[in-house]
Amino acid sequence: RKEVEQDPGPFNVPEGATVAFNCTYSNSASQSFFWYRQDCRKEPKLLMSVYSSGNEDGRFTAQLNRASQYISLLIRDSKLSDSATYLCVVRRNSGNTPLVFGKGTRLSVIA
Amino acid sequence: DAMVIQNPRYQVTQFGKPVTLSCSQTLNHNVMYWYQQKSSQAPKLLFHYYDKDFNNEADTPDNFQSRRPNTSFCFLDIRSPGLGDAAMYLCATSRGGYSRSGNQPQHFGDGTRLSIL
Repeated sequence: RKEVEQDPGPFNVPEGATVAFNCTYSNSASQSFFWYRQDCRKEPKLLMSVYSSGNEDGRFTAQLNRASQYISLLIRDSKLSDSATYLCVVRRNSGNTPLVFGKGTRLSVIA
Repeated sequence: DAMVIQNPRYQVTQFGKPVTLSCSQTLNHNVMYWYQQKSSQAPKLLFHYYDKDFNNEADTPDNFQSRRPNTSFCFLDIRSPGLGDAAMYLCATSRGGYSRSGNQPQHFGDGTRLSIL
C-alpha cells in the first residue's frame, strides 16, 4: 500500500463548481499534513497546512480525520486559475522528517 | 524574489556522462532536500541534509550522490546517468529543529529538467 494515496482524477468541472479531493495515509504516526498545488512543469507550492480542527482559507477548506487517516480538500466556486494538480502531503513523524507526497489529482476547471 | 534557486533550469547530458545539478537558498534553512519527479508521478525523495548530516533514502540508487559544502548550497551529482534518470529534479528547504513544530512546510526551487541523450 502506498504511504499516501489520492483520488486518481482527473476532475473536469465547470467554473463555479464545488469540488472535493480525498487522500488517505498509511502511517498512523504521521503528524503534519499539507496540500500543495503544482502547475504543469512547475514546482510544487504550498497551498495550505491541514490542522486537526479543520481550517479554511478563502474558497479552500481542509479537513483531517486522524482516526480514519483521511484528509480532504474542498474548493468552492472554482476558478479557471484553480486548474492544477493538487498534491496531498504528509510528514512521516514529528519534528523534521521529510515530507511524503501523494501522486496528485489533476483538476481542470472549464469555462 | 527567488529564495530557492536551482541551476540550470534545463540540463541535457549524454548517457553515462556525469552531471551536477545545483541548488542555493537565501532562507538560511538548515534542512535541504532533493526530489526526483517523473511525469505524472509524485515527487520522490532521494535524500536530505539536516545541517551537515546526510540522510539517504533506502531506495535511492548509488548512482546519485549529494554534497552540501555550506548552509546555502547543495549539489546533486549523477555519476552515470541512464535513460531512466530523465526527470525533473526538485530542491527544497525547510527550517528544522526538534524543538519546533513539525508543521514547517518545504519551499521548493523551480526545478531542473534533466534530459538524457
